[in-house]
Amino acid sequence: KQEVTQIPAALSVPEGENLVLNCSFTDSAIYNLQWFRQDPGKGLTSLLLIQSSQREQTSGRLNASLDKSSGRSTLYIAASQPGDSATYLCAVSDSGYALNFGKGTSLLVTP
Amino acid sequence: GAVVSQHPSRVICKSGTSVKIECRSLDFQATTMFWYRQFPKQSLMLMATSNEGSKATYEQGVEKDKFLINHASLTLSTLTVTSAHPEDSSFYICSASRRATEAFFGQGTRLTVV
Repeated sequence: KQEVTQIPAALSVPEGENLVLNCSFTDSAIYNLQWFRQDPGKGLTSLLLIQSSQREQTSGRLNASLDKSSGRSTLYIAASQPGDSATYLCAVSDSGYALNFGKGTSLLVTP
Repeated sequence: GAVVSQHPSRVICKSGTSVKIECRSLDFQATTMFWYRQFPKQSLMLMATSNEGSKATYEQGVEKDKFLINHASLTLSTLTVTSAHPEDSSFYICSASRRATEAFFGQGTRLTVV
C-alpha cells in the first residue's frame, strides 16, 4: 500500500524566506503527484500537478520537483508571505486517479 | 477550469439521524467521483470510488451500509451517512475526475454529530 510521508510536520519562518517542503512515497509506480494547499476548515486548492513523466512544475513563486525513482518530491516556495500560511498536502495517484495523501506540513509565515 | 461544488459546507445533526452530502461537477462530466474523510490532524483518507451508473467501490474498513454513495448522473454524486454517531464527525470531501485528467476537489463538508 502506498505510504506518503511529509517532512516537516510543521514549519514557522519569517516573511521573505525561501523554504522547502518535502514529500516521500514508498511505491514509485505513480501516475502523478499533486501539491495542495488547505486552509483551516476549508477544501483543497490544487497548486501544482506533476505527471510521472515530468521532473518539475512551476507556478509563480512555487516550484515542485519530482524524482520518481527515489520516491521524492519537494515544494519550493520563494519569498514567503504571511498569506502563504496554510497546510500543504502532497498526494500521489495511481492510474485510477484516487489520491494517497500525506499528513501535510503546517506552514506559518510570520510578518 | 473545472469546478466541483459540495453542499452543505457545514452540518450538525443529532445522533441516529442521516445526513446527505452532495457533490456536483459544474462544468464537466465526471466519469469518476471519490469521497475522502479527514479526521483532525490526519491525512485525507479515501473512503470510496464511484463510477456513474455503477456501485461504489469502498476502501477496506469503510462500511458500505453506513456510508451510502449514489452516482446517478455524470454531474452528481451523493454520500449519505446513515444513523450517524459522534465518531462519524469529520471533514468529508469529494473529488471528481473526467477521463484522463486530474481530479478536482469540492470545498468539503464539516459534519458534527451531537
